[in-house]
Amino acid sequence: EAGVAQSPRYKIIEKRQSVAFWCNPISGHATLYWYQQILGQGPKLLIQFQNNGVVDDSQLPKDRFSAERLKGVDSTLKIQPAKLEDSAVYLCASSTGPTSRGYTFGSGTRLTVV
Amino acid sequence: KQEVTQIPAALSVPEGENLVLNCSFTDSAIYNLQWFRQDPGKGLTSLLLIQSSQREQTSGRLNASLDKSSGRSTLYIAASQPGDSATYLCAVSPSGNTPLVFGKGTRLSVIA
Repeated sequence: EAGVAQSPRYKIIEKRQSVAFWCNPISGHATLYWYQQILGQGPKLLIQFQNNGVVDDSQLPKDRFSAERLKGVDSTLKIQPAKLEDSAVYLCASSTGPTSRGYTFGSGTRLTVV
Repeated sequence: KQEVTQIPAALSVPEGENLVLNCSFTDSAIYNLQWFRQDPGKGLTSLLLIQSSQREQTSGRLNASLDKSSGRSTLYIAASQPGDSATYLCAVSPSGNTPLVFGKGTRLSVIA
């Protein structure tokens, strides 16, 4: 089966600019996650979707981050305006749901804010 | 709040050695535990998944054990190779549909 697709792979922007990331999960996976991984740290959850509804966005900085999952399939994560501390790898993952046999991660998008 | 700790943070070994990576978690009420590998600049590759009812899982040269009551898991790598060099992340899931909680990882270097 095809894996979790993410784009772009790399992005460099200036602070205060906006940026968007895209994720296409594995077909049939109802649950989709966005994680932020700062260099030297483990991934930290930003938002969890179940189909096209938000399950958990408690750690999403809502003043600058937004995310949506249209039709319960693809998802986009946006940052506006970006800050230097947003430099990180943004990982998308999907799973089948409550009886999950595990999570599948995409390759990630490496964001550098200068 | 679940917290996951991985020790050591970094490890360097000569090729051929057997090694153990450690993971501990504060809340024993977990659904499953997963070990991942991450190469520099890349995403996460799942290595082994242990359900809460299981004690261990094996895949090739890798063996992961789980002691839920003591909040510990170990990843054993036999006969290490330079290609095993990567960061290894441990993550627990509080329930089957909840986000993973990750440790900071162990950065492994296997020297030829």
